[in-house]
Amino acid sequence: DAKTTQPNSMESNEEEPVHLPCNHSTISGTDYIHWYRQLPSQGPEYVIHGLTSNVNNRMASLAIAEDRKSSTLILHRATLRDAAVYYCILCKETSGSRLTFGEGTQLTVNP
Amino acid sequence: DVKVTQSSRYLVKRTGEKVFLECVQDMDHENMFWYRQDPGLGLRLIYFSYDVKMKEKGDIPEGYSVSREKKERFSLILESASTNQTSMYLCASTSDRVPYEQYFGPGTRLTVT
Repeated sequence: DAKTTQPNSMESNEEEPVHLPCNHSTISGTDYIHWYRQLPSQGPEYVIHGLTSNVNNRMASLAIAEDRKSSTLILHRATLRDAAVYYCILCKETSGSRLTFGEGTQLTVNP
Repeated sequence: DVKVTQSSRYLVKRTGEKVFLECVQDMDHENMFWYRQDPGLGLRLIYFSYDVKMKEKGDIPEGYSVSREKKERFSLILESASTNQTSMYLCASTSDRVPYEQYFGPGTRLTVT
């Protein structure tokens, strides 16, 4: 299975944009890039996913490099509630696909 | 509001006891998953199920079994609990229509003494 590499931790200030990087140099053509986050004392929650094109939703944006070997999750204006562990995961988009979670990036948001 | 519920948030059991962890989803999802989460190891998949009465081993099935008699309910069973099964257990579900979005429960913190 292709692996992802993320920084262990990042810090941001409230109301500033945050760019969370993810490297996945061994990604295959059928791998989708998924992002989940886990707030303290909760289960993970889906944030966004994409294949080749950049994606936007109400929570975040996903920027995917042209060669697909890296991607960046963008939180446009960080809030204190965005403090969480963010996971970048590669997954084949088939029914019941398994997610393999790494250690993720612990995001701290300073007031 | 979609919901995955787990029977307990915290559970303390003794070594050798049989332990049942229950997970219920109200979204009519076909697929359900059990993970455990440990510091330094991330989330690891124990078992999953694509349909009622079907189950597939995940990455770390040893010491666990599962049961899915009804679509909405997926049970994780520790036949004889051991201290190395002390962990956070997370249940998740997805639908075939939206397979990329897993919904997780709040987790059960199990301590085996």
